[in-house]
Amino acid sequence: SQQGEEDPQALSIQEGENATMNCSYKTSINNLQWYRQNSGRGLVHLILIRSNEREKHSGRLRVTLDTSKKSSSLLITASRAADTASYFCATSTSNDYKLSFGAGTTVTVRA
Amino acid sequence: EAQVTQNPRYLITVTGKKLTVTCSQNMNHEYMSWYRQDPGLGLRQIYYSMNVEVTDKGDVPEGYKVSRKEKRNFPLILESPSPNQTSLYFCASRGGSVNTGELFFGEGSRLTVL
Repeated sequence: SQQGEEDPQALSIQEGENATMNCSYKTSINNLQWYRQNSGRGLVHLILIRSNEREKHSGRLRVTLDTSKKSSSLLITASRAADTASYFCATSTSNDYKLSFGAGTTVTVRA
Repeated sequence: EAQVTQNPRYLITVTGKKLTVTCSQNMNHEYMSWYRQDPGLGLRQIYYSMNVEVTDKGDVPEGYKVSRKEKRNFPLILESPSPNQTSLYFCASRGGSVNTGELFFGEGSRLTVL
């Protein structure tokens, strides 16, 4: 069953704008990861945030985690056409070795 | 170059004709996994393997088999494919621990069962 659910399902923005997407999950987690998928390609890992962390940065990416609300957000600043992709959150719980993925947010960056 | 390689990338087959999708990784990862991706459903785990000769079911294992005889290879076997197994399949591997390891994905295998 899906643990994480992304919101919105789709997002269209102008180049240079920021893109924000959210992920909500149901049970306590060990860590939460974000992945990017370009059309028809394999997923690529972007960033991992542990359950005891609240915010993490990587280049133009900023991830927050609120374990009390069981939610995370991914912010892409100063978006580029190359950021057009689907973005997935994935959660890992302490007792299993699975990563559970959400259905993803499709981001379109218009030139 | 570190990579996960899947073959074939595209396959059209008919109901009941056994097929195998191969997966190989060159990163010496212990953990490997198969996912299927369907529109609106995200990625769902089929099987995973913690190490050689250790495999376990994921969320949607019905109709699939796997084996892990060598560390680098983790083939996915469809003994008698059916149309509902038409999907995009991904193999992934991970080094490190559950708490720190990112997944490395192959490029995917698009399977159509007629």
